[in-house]
Amino acid sequence: DQQVKQNSPSLSVQEGRISILNCDYTNSMFDYFLWYKKYPAEGPTFLISISSIKDKNEDGRFTVFLNKSAKHLSLHIVPSQPGDSAVYFCAASPRRETSGSRLTFGEGTQLTVNP
Amino acid sequence: GAVVSQHPSWVICKSGTSVKIECRSLDFQATTMFWYRQFPKQSLMLMATSNEGSKATYEQGVEKDKFLINHASLTLSTLTVTSAHPEDSSFYICSAFPGQRSYEQYFGPGTRLTVT
Repeated sequence: DQQVKQNSPSLSVQEGRISILNCDYTNSMFDYFLWYKKYPAEGPTFLISISSIKDKNEDGRFTVFLNKSAKHLSLHIVPSQPGDSAVYFCAASPRRETSGSRLTFGEGTQLTVNP
Repeated sequence: GAVVSQHPSWVICKSGTSVKIECRSLDFQATTMFWYRQFPKQSLMLMATSNEGSKATYEQGVEKDKFLINHASLTLSTLTVTSAHPEDSSFYICSAFPGQRSYEQYFGPGTRLTVT
């Protein structure tokens, strides 16, 4: 039962354009969402997060949008840079408290930004 | 800040032996650490939640006697793969939860285990 799904295994965009990575979830108990970036043979690094009380969170070139009614979130990267090429994981947590919530990860999307 | 290290970064062992992987939070205390496993081209699968001073909580389908977790201090958790078999070969990643400072988990660089 894949509760967090990233339906696109790969995405290729041109440098300078917008990258849009999508994520869907099924568990209505999730109320905190995170995006992680991962290079091969390395651990994921945290990018940006959003709680269910918001529909948008922006941090520099990265913006996450949350559509709670559709159980859908997306990560926008603009402008995309070659260094953004990596696997991006969407993750969800059922709680927002500071007690070490379990994360459920999507399958990941390989983003390739071409110069 | 929020740096997590893992040791070793890669290890090759023979079938039947045990391997210990360490996860350390270098600049913060972590009451909770998580252990994940990643197969090639697949997502991170949570194996267990490690709480300092108490027993780990294992996910369904994860053998607690095979994957021994010890969270001896607020900065160190260890995962021991006992009687390793080739199917245990994988990329093991830990994460640490700072708790009061943020909601995010911070991940170690991972350990590549190959069992021959």
